[in-house]
Amino acid sequence: KAGVTQTPRYLIKTRGQQVTLSCSPISGHRSVSWYQQTPGQGLQFLFEYFSETQRNKGNFPGRFSGRQFSNSRSEMNVSTLELGDSALYLCASSQQGSGYNEQFFGPGTRLTVL
Amino acid sequence: AQKITQTQPGMFVQEKEAVTLDCTYDTSDQSYGLFWYKQPSSGEMIFLIYQGSYDEQNATEGRYSLNFQKARKSANLVISASQLGDSAMYFCAMRDLQSGGGADGLTFGKGTHLIIQP
Repeated sequence: KAGVTQTPRYLIKTRGQQVTLSCSPISGHRSVSWYQQTPGQGLQFLFEYFSETQRNKGNFPGRFSGRQFSNSRSEMNVSTLELGDSALYLCASSQQGSGYNEQFFGPGTRLTVL
Repeated sequence: AQKITQTQPGMFVQEKEAVTLDCTYDTSDQSYGLFWYKQPSSGEMIFLIYQGSYDEQNATEGRYSLNFQKARKSANLVISASQLGDSAMYFCAMRDLQSGGGADGLTFGKGTHLIIQP
């Protein structure tokens, strides 16, 4: 069974631009969560989608948004990029999204904002 | 609000020794899950072990075991017979398991950088 895939793996953008990251969950998994990892703040929860609906959202500004498609693939968008958005963005999938099912993480997208 | 504390920023351990990584947590939730993840330098988070708050037995997965002490709110990871490939960042995390609000995201600790020396 293929694991969680994220594209692109690396991305370089400049301040003010916008970016879209993609995540394909493990086949059969309906929940996709996104996390931001930075040296200063560590790992922080962005949002979670289940069956195309956002179920939970972390404490991030509205510049961070996402969506999920009917095939469970998810995209995350960051508009008006700031230097502080430079981070590793991790996507995780699970079967039902409840805590009883562990989340399987993808390799991440490393975003650098210049 | 949930909080995870990992007090060991870094650890050096000799190969083949056992190692304990500390994790304490704080939550007002009655039902929660505790997780340990390994993150090698490549960046991918690898799930290691899970413990539910109502599980009476400590979880074990191969060389990994979780020393769960609910009254002390601690969930330490024990790695037996450490190997060079165990060198990585290790994160303790938790999640509310109660239904009705949808699933919350994982709350992570700051991590412990484990280095196994030959």
